Amino acid sequence: GENVEQHPSTLSVQEGDSAVIKCTYSDSASNYFPWYKQELGKRPQLIIDIRSNVGEKKDQRIAVTLNKTAKHFSLHITETQPEDSAVYFCAATPYGQNFVFGPGTRLSVLP
Amino acid sequence: GAVVSQHPSWVICKSGTSVKIECRSLDFQATTMFWYRQFPKQSLMLMATSNEGSKATYEQGVEKDKFLINHASLTLSTLTVTSAHPEDSSFYICSAIKPQGNTEAFFGQGTRLTVV
Repeated sequence: GENVEQHPSTLSVQEGDSAVIKCTYSDSASNYFPWYKQELGKRPQLIIDIRSNVGEKKDQRIAVTLNKTAKHFSLHITETQPEDSAVYFCAATPYGQNFVFGPGTRLSVLP
Repeated sequence: GAVVSQHPSWVICKSGTSVKIECRSLDFQATTMFWYRQFPKQSLMLMATSNEGSKATYEQGVEKDKFLINHASLTLSTLTVTSAHPEDSSFYICSAIKPQGNTEAFFGQGTRLTVV
């Protein structure tokens, strides 16, 4: 089955700097890669996703890149703000099947 | 986006009792729902996949007789923790995807279970 690894496990950045979180997956059949943000005690919320037919997607300060050959994808957050502090999870899924989540990255944006 | 509602948001129960958690898709029909368990500062661990009208598929290491899952309709799946013990205390979250698959998963708000 699918196995998703995520790095780093914790990340601290100064406000205004960029943050990058990387994930790798094992199943070449996976073709949908969402990123979720989870604040303490709350449900995960989708922040951006990418499908395997696209190499990059951007939404304001957030971007995701996908390298299918290397089986890795990354989340990029620019101009970080304190409200970006949360745990971020990547996930990978083959069509129509359950999501396999990475272990998460705790991002702290320092004022 | 679609809405998934989970109830209750928190529950405290005595050891040995059973607790039922409901997961409802409010504005779409979900043929498949997923149940996750999340320990503090850890990731979401899939417990089982719930399919409407059929038996749930449990992940390895998850006791099906302890965590009973019922998906009786296209908008409701329930997780019952039977004979709960303190080690079952955790954050349980459900999610649902739309029938066409390969789309965003919509999460419930989670249920924090504390067994005393």
